[in-house]
Amino acid sequence: SQTIHQWPATLVQPVGSPLSLECTVEGTSNPNLYWYRQAAGRGLQLLFYSVGIGQISSEVPQNLSASRPQDRQFILSSKKLLLSDSGFYLCAWSGGLRAQPQHFGDGTRLSIL
Amino acid sequence: AQKITQTQPGMFVQEKEAVTLDCTYDTSDPSYGLFWYKQPSSGEMIFLIYQGSYDQQNATEGRYSLNFQKARKSANLVISASQLGDSAMYFCAIPDNTDKLIFGTGTRLQVFP
Repeated sequence: SQTIHQWPATLVQPVGSPLSLECTVEGTSNPNLYWYRQAAGRGLQLLFYSVGIGQISSEVPQNLSASRPQDRQFILSSKKLLLSDSGFYLCAWSGGLRAQPQHFGDGTRLSIL
Repeated sequence: AQKITQTQPGMFVQEKEAVTLDCTYDTSDPSYGLFWYKQPSSGEMIFLIYQGSYDQQNATEGRYSLNFQKARKSANLVISASQLGDSAMYFCAIPDNTDKLIFGTGTRLQVFP
């Protein structure tokens, strides 16, 4: 069966520090991959999605970037974190067909001090 | 463009009772589907149920069922025999024309004894 791993679960970082969040999927090949951010008490905002290695689409202008160095690995990065980057970050994968759901990791709570 | 609306920011239900969570949508796609997700306080997004627009019968998954009314453009989630563990945020979602999910703002359900 397919599983998705996302780490770390919690992260506290100072303003201006770099960021790297990692997400890996097991049990499937060539998944679509997604990074979302969720502010407290709010809905999900899609940040990036990828349909293949090296293929990244950005949904909103921001201080973050994403990379997909391997088929089942998706990385969210920043060179210098801002206070506004605080939030709950979720990684997800899907099989790419419209009737297939996205399956989410457990999320990372990022606090910027 | 697709749009999802969840008008109930919060709902209360007594244990063992049924509850309906509302979701309305707007789409110009002739073929589409609706997803429902549950997000407990721990943060992970759990896929609950899906129904395609051409499905003849309302989808059911255990205690979850979809009351899908295409003419009204609504896809309400019905949870029967509520349990304390059902307390969570619930999101409905619809794919856009590039198959990315558009999420509603969510409904917080609280089940009380």
